[in-house]
Amino acid sequence: DTGVSQDPRHKITKRGQNVTFRCDPISEHNRLYWYRQTLGQGPEFLTYFQNEAQLEKSRLLSDRFSAERPKGSFSTLEIQRTEQGDSAMYLCASSLIFGQRGTDTQYFGPGTRLTVL
Amino acid sequence: AQSVTQPDIHITVSEGASLELRCNYSYGATPYLFWYVQSPGQGLQLLLKYFSGDTLVQGIKGFEAEFKRSQSSFNLRKPSVHWSDAAEYFCAVSGGSYIPTFGRGTSLIVHP
Repeated sequence: DTGVSQDPRHKITKRGQNVTFRCDPISEHNRLYWYRQTLGQGPEFLTYFQNEAQLEKSRLLSDRFSAERPKGSFSTLEIQRTEQGDSAMYLCASSLIFGQRGTDTQYFGPGTRLTVL
Repeated sequence: AQSVTQPDIHITVSEGASLELRCNYSYGATPYLFWYVQSPGQGLQLLLKYFSGDTLVQGIKGFEAEFKRSQSSFNLRKPSVHWSDAAEYFCAVSGGSYIPTFGRGTSLIVHP
C-alpha cells in the first residue's frame, strides 16, 4: 500500500490556459473522489467515481471542470480556460466500498496546489 | 442537506494540557462522522470515524471523540497535547451517499 499519489504537487499557470491533474489511488480501492480546498476552508466535494463510472458530477464548479477515470484506476481532473478564482488545492481521495451497506473511509493524497496568474 | 459547524477557528493550548475541539453536525438520519488532521501543505489524515455502535471512538495519536446524538455533536478530545499536534483539524459528516461535508476547520496552536 503506497497510498494515494497526486501529480504534479504544484502547478503555476497563466489565466486562460488548460491544466490537468492526475491522481493514482490505493490499488485495490474502487472509489475515487476529487475535492477543492481554498485557504481557510475545508475540502469541497467536486465529483467521484466508482470503478470507471462517474456517479456524481453535478457539483463540479462549472463546465470548465471535467474528470475521467478511463480504466477504473488512475483519474484526471482537467480545468479548461483557467481563471484566478481556480487557484486552490485540489485533493484526491480513494476508498473501498463493499456492497450496498459498506462504509466509506477515504484516504487522501497530498494534493495539487494550483496557482493561476 | 447535511452540514458541519466547527465554531472555533483557532484554539491555543499549552503543551501537556488537555484538548477539546468542537463539532456540531446537521443530518436527518444516523450520520457517519469523521475527524481528519491536516499539516501545512499536506493532504488529510484520518484520525477516527464513527459509523455505529459505541459512541466513544478511539483514534490514532491518542485522540478520541464522542458521538452525542441529542446534541448533534462529535467533539474531539486528547488528554495531553504534544507540540507535534499543531495542525488544522477537520470534522466531516456523511450519510448513505458517502459524500462528506467538511467543516471549515479548527487551527490548533500549541505553546511550549
